[in-house]
This record gives sequence, C-alpha cells and structure tokens, in this order.
Amino acid sequence: EVQLVESGGGLVKPGGSLRLSCTGSGFTFHTFTINWVRQAPGKGLEWVSSITSSSYFTFYTDSVRGRFTVSRDDAKNSLYLQMDSLRAEDTAVYYCARDCEGNCYSAFDYWGQGTLVTVSA
Amino acid sequence: QSALTQPASVSGSPGQSITISCTGTSSDVGGYNYVSWYQQQPGKVPKLIIYDVTNRPSGVSNRFSGSKSGNTASLTISGLQADDEGDYYCSSYTTTDTHVLFGGGTQVTVL
Repeated sequence: EVQLVESGGGLVKPGGSLRLSCTGSGFTFHTFTINWVRQAPGKGLEWVSSITSSSYFTFYTDSVRGRFTVSRDDAKNSLYLQMDSLRAEDTAVYYCARDCEGNCYSAFDYWGQGTLVTVSA
Repeated sequence: QSALTQPASVSGSPGQSITISCTGTSSDVGGYNYVSWYQQQPGKVPKLIIYDVTNRPSGVSNRFSGSKSGNTASLTISGLQADDEGDYYCSSYTTTDTHVLFGGGTQVTVL
C-alpha cells in the first residue's frame, strides 16, 4: 500500500524557520517526482514545490522561491521542505503528493494526510 | 502566475449532470493535455479523479469525465449523488516557472 506521511509542522514566529519531512512507503520512492502542495485554512489548493527523481530538477511557486528549499534523501525514502523567512501567509496544511505513475504528467495520485504550519507572533 | 479560473459553486439535483469549467491560457490548459481534476470531501485529503484531461485512475467512477476545448477544461459529473458533494479543483502543467497551477476550486452541492 502506498503511503506518504508528513511531519514537522507547528507554530513558528514570522521570520522563523521550519523543516517539514515526508516519508514514503509501498513504492519505489527514488523513481518518482514528489511535490509539496499547501492549503491555507478555508482556502484552495496551491502547489508549492516539486523535486524530480535523483534531484535532477527542483521547482518552486513564485511566492516561496528563495525562501523554501526542497530536497530528498532516497536512502531514507524521505522528502524535505526547508522553510525560511516564514510569513503569516505561509500558514497552511502542507501535503506531500506523489506524481502519478505511468503515462501521465503533473497529476498527483497519492497524498499524505498533511501537516499544519502556523506562522504567528 | 494567476490560478486557473473555476466557478465558485455549482449545484444539481440527484441524478442530474453538472459541468465544472476550468479556464487558463495557452501556457497551461490550452497548450498541453496535462489537466487534472481532484475531489476533496470535507475534512479529507484531495483525491485524483481525472488526469491528462480525460483519463480516470483505476477505481474512479465512470460518472466522472473530463474534456478540453481551447483554453478551457471541463469536468462533468453524471448521475449526481449525495456523496459527490465537496470541493473540486482543476490543475494544469504550465510552462512558466510555477510548473503546476491549481484552480481556485468549485464547491459542488447536491440539492
């Protein structure tokens, strides 16, 4: 069974840092592009970042580029999101989501349960 | 980069069909067949229901179907059921640095 489990969320002050983790199981983690998607309270989904297999490419949405860094450790089946210079508008549930398997593109077929990040003084 | 445009809400009676639109540009929806749709029921994680414009993942009901014309993609739910209530989001690959765009979401209500 494919599973993704996020951790590391919490309460942080504006300007602070937080590191999220996502651990995958039940699939060959190192062969998949993995994404971070966030959802602010009561709002819609927003794609945040992606990292391809072997960390060849990383992508970021404009609002986090230069502040967030995505990385992966395939030996640990783990994905990370280092979040620096956090702002109130970064408050959201952060999901990790796997790119779809097979002949498809930019679709996310498995999602974790999410971890809540709250940025507040 | 702006989000893809979806109607805020759509409603229908049980058994009816409804269609949700998703409008983008030639840099995303119109330029590539990489549009996906997600269902998010209250308190739950998003679920992929359509990928690459028209394809359904294994296990997804054939009451859900997708299409595209120009810069607008559409999701049709036929034979509407109470369990279909929730929020629906489109997404698309984009050639901009953003890489993936979501729509603002559409709340589906079964009357």
